[in-house]
Amino acid sequence: EPEVTQTPSHQVTQMGQEVILRCVPISNHLYFYWYRQILGQKVEFLVSFYNNEISEKSEIFDDQFSVERPDGSNFTLKIRSTKLEDSAMYFCASSESGGEDEQFFGPGTRLTVL
Amino acid sequence: AQKVTQAQTEISVVEKEDVTLDCVYETRDTTYYLFWYKQPPSGELVFLIRRNSFDEQNEISGRYSWNFQKSTSSFNFTITASQVVDSAVYFCALSEARRSQGNLIFGKGTKLSVKP
Repeated sequence: EPEVTQTPSHQVTQMGQEVILRCVPISNHLYFYWYRQILGQKVEFLVSFYNNEISEKSEIFDDQFSVERPDGSNFTLKIRSTKLEDSAMYFCASSESGGEDEQFFGPGTRLTVL
Repeated sequence: AQKVTQAQTEISVVEKEDVTLDCVYETRDTTYYLFWYKQPPSGELVFLIRRNSFDEQNEISGRYSWNFQKSTSSFNFTITASQVVDSAVYFCALSEARRSQGNLIFGKGTKLSVKP
């Protein structure tokens, strides 16, 4: 069964460093998303991406964040200068046709900023 | 504004008990979609069910059932004869049709512990 994959599973970084989180969505899906979950809290939407551009972003997704689909398979989230409060689990998700479709989530990348 | 409320933070039951997880939502859209996801201790998010706002039929899948009531803006989830493997955090989520990309708004989740 096709699945969303994410690498790395755990990333530890120093405050102020750049990190890139990687995702491979399900191959025939067209809509891609990033969400984050601070430990013990709810899952929060960051950004959606369709047709090679950002469709919508939340208030959390400020200038320190960017997303890219550098090739036909990868979907990346970059945080330029990490802060302590960026420590969270980051989930990538994809769906076939957006809207009403269920989103399939990857296993997540746990980001720890020291 | 759109919002999903899961008032039950934690629920603890003994195996074989039935348990209902509550979800109340707010939206101004007439067309919207509701979801339940399960997050087991391993951390991944597992899709359970999707319901659109025009379909108020209740659904049953094995030991799981969902009760959607537009009149009370609720989409409750019942597990019958709970098992230890049901222990997880369960999230209710809302997607509004006007956001064609389907960004999910999650509730805070209900942590279910099923004890043997």
